[in-house]
Amino acid sequence: QVQLVQSGAEVPKPGASVKVSCKASGFTFTSFYLHWVRQGPGQGLEWMGIINPNGGSTSYAQRLQGRLSLTRDTSTDTVYMELSSLTSEDTAVYYCARVRPYSGGAFDVWGQGTVVTVSS
Amino acid sequence: DIQMTQSPSTLSASVGDRVTITCRASQSVSGRLAWYQQIPGKAPKLLIHEASSLESGVPSRFRGSGSGTEFTLTISNLQPDDFATYFCQQYNGYFPWTFGQGTKVEIK
Repeated sequence: QVQLVQSGAEVPKPGASVKVSCKASGFTFTSFYLHWVRQGPGQGLEWMGIINPNGGSTSYAQRLQGRLSLTRDTSTDTVYMELSSLTSEDTAVYYCARVRPYSGGAFDVWGQGTVVTVSS
Repeated sequence: DIQMTQSPSTLSASVGDRVTITCRASQSVSGRLAWYQQIPGKAPKLLIHEASSLESGVPSRFRGSGSGTEFTLTISNLQPDDFATYFCQQYNGYFPWTFGQGTKVEIK
């Protein structure tokens, strides 16, 4: 079935980087833009960035520019989110999500979420 | 950035009630708006896209309406599974796409 499966929880130290993977299955990987969204503890949803698996072009939220990198591996149908120079404010659940076919941008398939806890 | 403001932040209701959640955009997003339901510990679930189109498999008691800057999500005949947090999201072309802060529907 159509799904996105993310890697497991991470506990990076302040100042370090974290890399989370999101493996797609059940659909043509290069046909759908994939986004990353995060949710801080008890907080709302924050859009982080987008990657086009067909070619690898990206766009990032301005507040994360310089710290966020989205990449993809078409041989394994996997996208990666790497966030550097972590602080406690980056503690959140990180989701990858697919844009629904024939929609301007609604997310119809989400990964299960990856908990990232920045702690020394 | 387009700001999305939901109201109310919390809503208390009973099974069988009809509830309405409002989402206002700081500028027009045309009909490029989605609604999601989120249960604690789970990823959001798409309910409505393009402001009023019901996602496949979502019960018809969920209805979305509106365009431009004002949108509503109405849930009729509230069921026990509907007690959750609801978010709106705009995707009107330019990034960043933004979400409302959420509306928690709790049991009265």
